[in-house]
Amino acid sequence: GAGVSQSPRYKVAKRGQDVALRCDPISGHVSLFWYQQALGQGPEFLTYFQNEAQLDKSGLPSDRFFAERPEGSVSTLKIQRTQQEDSAVYLCASSLGGTALGNTIYFGEGSWLTVV
Amino acid sequence: TQLLEQSPQFLSIQEGENLTVYCNSSSVFSSLQWYRQEPGEGPVLLVTVVTGGEVKKLKRLTFQFGDARKDSSLHITAAQPGDTGLYLCAGAYRTGANNLFFGTGTRLTVIP
Repeated sequence: GAGVSQSPRYKVAKRGQDVALRCDPISGHVSLFWYQQALGQGPEFLTYFQNEAQLDKSGLPSDRFFAERPEGSVSTLKIQRTQQEDSAVYLCASSLGGTALGNTIYFGEGSWLTVV
Repeated sequence: TQLLEQSPQFLSIQEGENLTVYCNSSSVFSSLQWYRQEPGEGPVLLVTVVTGGEVKKLKRLTFQFGDARKDSSLHITAAQPGDTGLYLCAGAYRTGANNLFFGTGTRLTVIP
């Protein structure tokens, strides 16, 4: 596809369950970002990859959150032992460069996670 | 933690009216962007402003970056139902920064 693709679109997890969210960025895009958007809020930064290197993970809320991009393309955000406060939309975005001028960031439709 | 405050939080207007939404912060940003997000979709970039005092126009939308680069506004002229959505501002602290700080959002509804 031409855009950023995320799966699953919707996920209901029982508290304590592990989940994995997948992101297929736009082909050739070097940078990949994960954001968390709680209901009624703006997105909040989680982590950033440049190719396969995770250069910034300062936004990950706890050590239960883990992200990887082993081959510099597809990325997976894993949440272990989910808790109710993890319920949110998880947005993936990619760009040719970073957020420097001239580099448009393209967002996926998001993965909606509900922890019950 | 949202470092960028947007106002109003909700706005409902009639088609054809004008409106302005605001994005304010106590921090100085290297650049600021505006996005529109529709239900069930990710944010879509509308504009990037980088110079204090800069004004950019995109059809009926006018964006302004404050002189001190701490605030911004989005003005829509003759709003249309297709303008309905969540408008988000997002700032980068420095050129080349890889994380954006998003505002709280303004949810606009334009009634036909």
